[in-house]
Amino acid sequence: QLQLQESGPGLLKPSETLSLTCTVSGDSISSSSYYWGWIRQTPGKGLEFIGNVYHDGITFYNPSLKSRVTISIDTSKNQFSLKLRSVTAADTALYYCATLNWAFWYFDLWGRGTMVTVSS
Amino acid sequence: QSALTQPRSVSGSPGQSVTISCTGTNSDVGYYNYVSWYLQHPGKAPKLIIYAVTKRPSGVPDRFSGSKSGNTASLTISGLQADDEADYYCCSYAGYAEVFGGGTKLTVL
Repeated sequence: QLQLQESGPGLLKPSETLSLTCTVSGDSISSSSYYWGWIRQTPGKGLEFIGNVYHDGITFYNPSLKSRVTISIDTSKNQFSLKLRSVTAADTALYYCATLNWAFWYFDLWGRGTMVTVSS
Repeated sequence: QSALTQPRSVSGSPGQSVTISCTGTNSDVGYYNYVSWYLQHPGKAPKLIIYAVTKRPSGVPDRFSGSKSGNTASLTISGLQADDEADYYCCSYAGYAEVFGGGTKLTVL
């Protein structure tokens, strides 16, 4: 059974780089069935698409975050990662990794999420 | 890429039906038939309940249904149950990107 688990530091200072990893278990991240995506949810607010990566490394990003975001994939570790540079308090959020079914463009399976707080 | 527009809240009594709207543009909802809906209970990850505008994943009751007209998609929940009380989010493909709605809180009275 496919499962996703986010991990990474929970507290950052302004201007630092957020680095999160999503570990995939139960299937190979090289599966062609999915894109692998990141979504965040700010406290009390809605969901925001961050970006996706395919197993061949092709990425797609939210235009509003594109200048600060890098998503990469490590097939040897069955993981994909998110880096968000120059964080501010506005980046404080619950960060989810998820599978994106590219046939119908929906997020199928979600991780539990990891909370990241940006504070000086 | 602006967020899709959803009502902040809706409510209904057990057994009734409610409809949640999701308004986008002709670059997302209006152009692609790839609208999905997610249910989120407090403290839990979102769960897919509708994809490709009208399709239900295995295990989702047929009380949940989706539709679309022009730039507006809708989620209808019939036969409301207490456990349907949650936040609901729509999402649309927008050309190699996804855009979410702001979410709607459903209260079962």
